[in-house]
Amino acid sequence: GENVEQHPSTLSVQEGDSAVIKCTYSDSASNYFPWYKQELGKRPQLIIDIRSNVGEKKDQRIAVTLNKTAKHFSLHITETQPEDSAVYFCAADTGGFKTIFGAGTRLFVKA
Amino acid sequence: NAGVTQTPKFRVLKTGQSMTLLCAQDMNHEYMYWYRQDPGMGLRLIHYSVGEGTTAKGEVPDGYNVSRLKKQNFLLGLESAAPSQTSVYFCASKASRTIDTQYFGPGTRLTVL
Repeated sequence: GENVEQHPSTLSVQEGDSAVIKCTYSDSASNYFPWYKQELGKRPQLIIDIRSNVGEKKDQRIAVTLNKTAKHFSLHITETQPEDSAVYFCAADTGGFKTIFGAGTRLFVKA
Repeated sequence: NAGVTQTPKFRVLKTGQSMTLLCAQDMNHEYMYWYRQDPGMGLRLIHYSVGEGTTAKGEVPDGYNVSRLKKQNFLLGLESAAPSQTSVYFCASKASRTIDTQYFGPGTRLTVL
């Protein structure tokens, strides 16, 4: 069935370093890829998304890349800050009824 | 515009008790979802609805029932709560079938003793 694999499950970086989270999807019909950030005790919130007709998208310190051939997409956070510490979820959507979520990456940014 | 709201925020049940979680959205979204999130885990889809009067099973539907009598509301029921249903429950909505973002409610933390 449809599946989204996300790696790593935990990531620890020093403040100011970059963080990269990678996801792989199985359904080749997937055409929308959102990323959500969930702070402790809070709801998941969209931070950036990319559609299948675009290879890369950037918003200040965060960027997402998509490789449709390999069915990979990645989240890049540059100049990490302590407030970036959270759980990040990738997801894949075919434009149908359901969005398939990855298992999440817990990011720790050490000051 | 409150977005997606959930009631209650917290609840403690005893095994065998029943309860209903309410999700409401004021964005006129067609699609609504119920997820559960266990500690350190991702989001697992329980049930979803693609419009008023419709419901469908997700990944982990057993032990739950849902209803969508009004477009803005999506109810999740537990008829006989079990400790395995201790979790955080999130409701979400999205505008339509075409590509769009899901917006989440604040969550309901449920403990079943």
